Amino acid sequence: AQRVTQPEKLLSVFKGAPVELKCNYSYSGSPELFWYVQYSRQRLQLLLRHISRESIKGFTADLNKGETSFHLKKPFAQEEDSAMYYCALSSWTTDSWGKLQFGAGTQVVVTP
Amino acid sequence: NAGVTQTPKFRVLKTGQSMTLLCAQDMNHEYMYWYRQDPGMGLRLIHYSVGEGTTAKGEVPDGYNVSRLKKQNFLLGLESAAPSQTSVYFCASSPGGGNSGANVLTFGAGSRLTVL
Repeated sequence: AQRVTQPEKLLSVFKGAPVELKCNYSYSGSPELFWYVQYSRQRLQLLLRHISRESIKGFTADLNKGETSFHLKKPFAQEEDSAMYYCALSSWTTDSWGKLQFGAGTQVVVTP
Repeated sequence: NAGVTQTPKFRVLKTGQSMTLLCAQDMNHEYMYWYRQDPGMGLRLIHYSVGEGTTAKGEVPDGYNVSRLKKQNFLLGLESAAPSQTSVYFCASSPGGGNSGANVLTFGAGSRLTVL
C-alpha cells in the first residue's frame, strides 16, 4: 500500500530563513510525487511535481528514491509562503491516474 | 474560465438528513474526484470517475454515493448524514489517462459540511 508521511504538523520560521518541509513515502512501484499548497482562503493548487524538475516560487524538491523522500526546500522564506503544504503521491500505472495519496499536511508560518 | 465550481459552499445538516454536493468543471477533463479534508489526515479520496457514466470507489467510500451523468458534472450524495461526515469536501478534475497531466488535479474551492 502507498503511504505519504509528513512528520511536521507545524513549521514556524522567520522571514529570510531557510525552510524545509519533509515528506517520506512508501510505495513499491514507480511513484510520481507532488507538492500541493493551500494559501489562506484559496483553493488547493499544484506547487510542483518531481518530473518537472523546476523551481516554483523559489521552492525546489528532489526525489530521493534511496531514502524514499521528496522534501520541499526554499533557501529564504517569505511571508507570502505561509500556507498549508501537502505532499502527494501517485503511480504511473494507468489504473492509478489521478488517484493521489496525500500526506497529513504541514502548516508553514513565516514571521517577520 | 471558472475551472471547478462546487455548490453549496456551506451546509449544516441534522443526523439522518440527505443532501447532494454538485461539482462542475468547464475544462473538458475526463477524470473527476471527490476528496474529504480532515485535520491531521490530509485529503482522502472518496469516489472518482474516469469518464462520463463511470464511477469507482476511493479510500473512504462508505456512506457516500456519486453519479457522473454528464462529463462536466460529478455529484456526491449523502443518503443519511452522520456526524462523522462533518468535513470539508473538495472536488477536483484532471485530464484523461495516458496523459502526463492526468495526475495534475485542479481543485474546487471546497464545501464545508457540518452534521449535527
